[in-house]
Amino acid sequence: DVKVTQSSRYLVKRTGEKVFLECVQDMDHENMFWYRQDPGLGLRLIYFSYDVKMKEKGDIPEGYSVSREKKERFSLILESASTNQTSMYLCASSLDGITYEQYFGPGTRLTVT
Amino acid sequence: KQEVTQIPAALSVPEGENLVLNCSFTDSAIYNLQWFRQDPGKGLTSLLLIQSSQREQTSGRLNASLDKSSGRSTLYIAASQPGDSATYLCAVHEGPDSNYQLIWGAGTKLIIKP
Repeated sequence: DVKVTQSSRYLVKRTGEKVFLECVQDMDHENMFWYRQDPGLGLRLIYFSYDVKMKEKGDIPEGYSVSREKKERFSLILESASTNQTSMYLCASSLDGITYEQYFGPGTRLTVT
Repeated sequence: KQEVTQIPAALSVPEGENLVLNCSFTDSAIYNLQWFRQDPGKGLTSLLLIQSSQREQTSGRLNASLDKSSGRSTLYIAASQPGDSATYLCAVHEGPDSNYQLIWGAGTKLIIKP
């Protein structure tokens, strides 16, 4: 079974702090994604990566950056957290090939106070 | 631009009923369509993926169909149980040239009453 893990289930940070969210997958997937999910807005793609050290902006990259130094790990960085970044953050991965089926982690509920 | 719609936004049915969740998309040139389940406060679980060349996929009590020409997919749940209560999302993949992105519906929140 594909396993995608995220470093924290719940996180509380203060405004202005630098925040790191980590995601690890164990199935040698090329593609990894970071989404945020908010009530009424659904899932929105922040960034994705299709290879080590490669990244592409999604729909809402402002205020975020990412890092992919190893194939299995994809980090989301909030350089200076703000209250409007309070959200559920979901990581996913997919394998290049026929289906590109995405597999998700359990999510991190981030609260910025 | 592809848009994905799920109707209804919420559905409440008694236990044991068979039910259908709907997903529609505006551009029929899709690569595949994926159905997910999300429990409150949790991540997404992939239920079924239908390739554009397929008409349906089955997994246990779940059956997903795809009609590309009409821009519709349905998720059929047989003999519903309280444990099926969750939000169900569909997402369309437009192919490797689409930057690997999924286009998401807003979801249908399903409540199965015991």
